[in-house]
Amino acid sequence: DTGVSQDPRHKITKRGQNVTFRCDPISEHNRLYWYRQTLGQGPEFLTYFQNEAQLEKSRLLSDRFSAERPKGSFSTLEIQRTEQGDSAMYLCASSLEGFSRGTEAFFGQGTRLTVV
Amino acid sequence: QKEVEQNSGPLSVPEGAIASLNCTYSDRGSQSFFWYRQYSGKSPELIMSIYSNGDKEDGRFTAQLNKASQYVSLLIRDSQPSDSATYLCAVRTDRGSTLGRLYFGRGTQLTVWP
Repeated sequence: DTGVSQDPRHKITKRGQNVTFRCDPISEHNRLYWYRQTLGQGPEFLTYFQNEAQLEKSRLLSDRFSAERPKGSFSTLEIQRTEQGDSAMYLCASSLEGFSRGTEAFFGQGTRLTVV
Repeated sequence: QKEVEQNSGPLSVPEGAIASLNCTYSDRGSQSFFWYRQYSGKSPELIMSIYSNGDKEDGRFTAQLNKASQYVSLLIRDSQPSDSATYLCAVRTDRGSTLGRLYFGRGTQLTVWP
């Protein structure tokens, strides 16, 4: 499978615990996005990387959220001290950015987080 | 003002009809526009991209873009029950520090009944 891969697919955690999600983009893609989606809403931007550089982090994102993309390959998203409001689908997408307008972004299967 | 606005629906059409989905956006500098289909409990799947004013056809799908009106639409011809899903409009900003960020609308839920 050469698509975007996310792990785990589902995560149930107790409030206050830390969780980490992983995303493996399409192999030649240099841009990687993280989004969060709750029921009835469109995906909400969290952050994105160009290679290993984190270009932007949403100002809506609290300091409990951190993301990395070491060596410009896979990425991890960590949520510290989880709260019930963090329950959502966390989506990763990747694209290949060139010298023009860029190309389409493709999503992974998502990680569904439930905080109890 | 939200960056991308869609009618939340739900939109219900009979099998074989044309389904029309609409989207408006606020950033005049946007240059790339996408439609994603999302089945319940699944992740978004890219179905169309459009960059220039006018129509772009791919099978039963036609995307229409009017940058002057800041409007993009998706037409689904000969709608099938398998087209029943939520359709997300996404707009890409290409300015400054937000270069390449994708903004999504809330999605329009489409139901095609037999």
